[in-house]
Amino acid sequence: DAGVTQSPTHLIKTRGQQVTLRCSPKSGHDTVSWYQQALGQGPQFIFQYYEEEERQRGNFPDRFSGHQFPNYSSELNVNALLLGDSALYLCASSSTAGSYNEQFFGPGTRLTVL
Amino acid sequence: GDSVTQMEGPVTLSEEAFLTINCTYTATGYPSLFWYVQYPGEGLQLLLKATKADDKGSNKGFEATYRKETTSFHLEKGSVQVSDSAVYFCALISSGSARQLTFGSGTQLTVLP
Repeated sequence: DAGVTQSPTHLIKTRGQQVTLRCSPKSGHDTVSWYQQALGQGPQFIFQYYEEEERQRGNFPDRFSGHQFPNYSSELNVNALLLGDSALYLCASSSTAGSYNEQFFGPGTRLTVL
Repeated sequence: GDSVTQMEGPVTLSEEAFLTINCTYTATGYPSLFWYVQYPGEGLQLLLKATKADDKGSNKGFEATYRKETTSFHLEKGSVQVSDSAVYFCALISSGSARQLTFGSGTQLTVLP
């Protein structure tokens, strides 16, 4: 079992550019959540996808958008990058089966905006 | 809204010392509570969890008890090792949040030999 995988590992962009981050969930998982972790802080929830739809969204602007594919993998897109978007972006997957939905995290993508 | 307040770090201990990291929360309903650990350069790993009041979560010598009366979930370990050096995050999922995790700001632990 490969666990949650994310790509790329690191990314450097300049202000105003657009970026796409990718996530493959753990085998058997159908739900993907994205989190932003700024340096020295706890992760902040961006949004969650289930059945290819955004199910819940945190307090992030519309520049942050996402997508979930039929194979449950997901993308996070950020438009018009700002310096403040520099962070570690974490993907977490979980399964709606059962009463307790533990979230398993990937290693993250480190985004640097110059 | 939901929130988690963690003991400020960093925390530096000698090997075999006793560890306590305080965590208190504010949430609607009856949240599930978690401790995650993040080793340098890695993502988050679930350390332990508790899903109802008075539950005790435990793993790898770490323990935390869900105290509803004090809205707390303090992490403890009787004897820390150098390999425990990491950042520890307290987190919750409240009953109405569709499984959105709310995290504290994290506590950096360094254990010296």
